[in-house]
Amino acid sequence: EVRLVESGGGLVQPGRSLRLSCTASGFAFGEYVMGWVRQAPGKGLEWVGSIRSYGHDGATEDAASVKGRFTVSRDDSKSIAFLQMNSLKMEDTAVYYCVRVRSDSIHYYYYMDVWGIGTTVTVSS
Amino acid sequence: QSVLTQPPSASGTPGQRFSISCSGSSSNIGVNTVNWYQHLPGTAPRLLIYSNNQRPSGVPGRFSGSKSGTSASLAISGLQSEDEADYYCATWDASLNGQVFGGGTKLTVL
Repeated sequence: EVRLVESGGGLVQPGRSLRLSCTASGFAFGEYVMGWVRQAPGKGLEWVGSIRSYGHDGATEDAASVKGRFTVSRDDSKSIAFLQMNSLKMEDTAVYYCVRVRSDSIHYYYYMDVWGIGTTVTVSS
Repeated sequence: QSVLTQPPSASGTPGQRFSISCSGSSSNIGVNTVNWYQHLPGTAPRLLIYSNNQRPSGVPGRFSGSKSGTSASLAISGLQSEDEADYYCATWDASLNGQVFGGGTKLTVL
């Protein structure tokens, strides 16, 4: 069974850091682009960022709203994707979903075909 | 304000044919394929349609997608009560260099 399980969410103060983990199983993790999508309370889905497989170039892409603060990384030996979140703001409060991404190199197609159940991050003093 | 525009809410009756629109621009829908996701609160979102009109295995055939120019639509033939959910369109935006979502459409089945 293909599965993604997020962990690491919680309550954190503004300006602090948090690292989310996504443990994958049931597929060849290293061959896929992995990413993160979030949903703030009462809001819609928002793409956070993704990382390509190291078989391509391992490049990361990030949303403008988190660029310079959030970093997506991966450990293919453990089938884990990470989201390092620094300088957290109250508007980063959201449920964070780990996603498996199918994409070509020019993003003509780019879609999330497997989703985790999410982990909640609350930024508050 | 979302880059892709969807109606925020919609309603229909069981058995009805229903569609949701998604409007974009020449830097997103105009050049890249569109995907649709279904999201029931408290659960993981689910890929419903990818590459404009392709259904993943397990998605009922009554869901279909189409794209024309800078707009796309999701159609549901034979609406069922379990279709009550939030629906999002999404695509890659070449100008923003990122994945963009519509604001979501909350579908109520009366």
